Amino acid sequence: DTGVSQNPRHKITKRGQNVTFRCDPISEHNRLYWYRQTLGQGPEFLTYFQNEAQLEKSRLLSDRFSAERPKGSFSTLEIQRTEQGDSAMYLCASSWAGPYEKLFFGSGTQLSVL
Amino acid sequence: AQKVTQAQTEISVVEKEDVTLDCVYETRDTTYYLFWYKQPPSGELVFLIRRNSFDEQNEISGRYSWNFQKSTSSFNFTITASQVVDSAVYFCARSQGNLIFGKGTKLSVKP
Repeated sequence: DTGVSQNPRHKITKRGQNVTFRCDPISEHNRLYWYRQTLGQGPEFLTYFQNEAQLEKSRLLSDRFSAERPKGSFSTLEIQRTEQGDSAMYLCASSWAGPYEKLFFGSGTQLSVL
Repeated sequence: AQKVTQAQTEISVVEKEDVTLDCVYETRDTTYYLFWYKQPPSGELVFLIRRNSFDEQNEISGRYSWNFQKSTSSFNFTITASQVVDSAVYFCARSQGNLIFGKGTKLSVKP
């Protein structure tokens, strides 16, 4: 069990650029979640997948955000035309299927938009 | 929105003191789960406990204990004899398919 892995750990980009983050969940987990956390706040839900199906998206996930989990294993989160307000820690988590399972989190990707 | 409220933004204690972190939640569901996570300075959220809405027994794990009271919609967390390594941000969360987190309480334990 290698845990949830996220890459890169840090990303600095200029406003207007596109960025993509990757998450490798715990291999036997069916569900994969993306959260966003800003300074002094708790994690905010963005979206989740069960296997390759994206089952729920938050209203926080604007049209500039897209997430994929093409083979039900790793996932990518892309932000197009980044804005300074997108600066945050992007957290990935995975779990077994079921609405009440505990989530295992990765260390996150810290995005800074200049 | 059904919120999770952690009213204490920051708490500072001296080592060996007991400390209680408060959590109040809102829900219209009869079945739900509550969680506590720890986020140390390294940033990775670490699972501490999960309780379901039908089990109101208090739970103790070493120096940690949890008090769940449905009547007041509270799920408080107590650390006994705090240690410097307990310094972290602690989040309470409620299940809703995904997890809804409170804003967290930053605990600083000074030697």
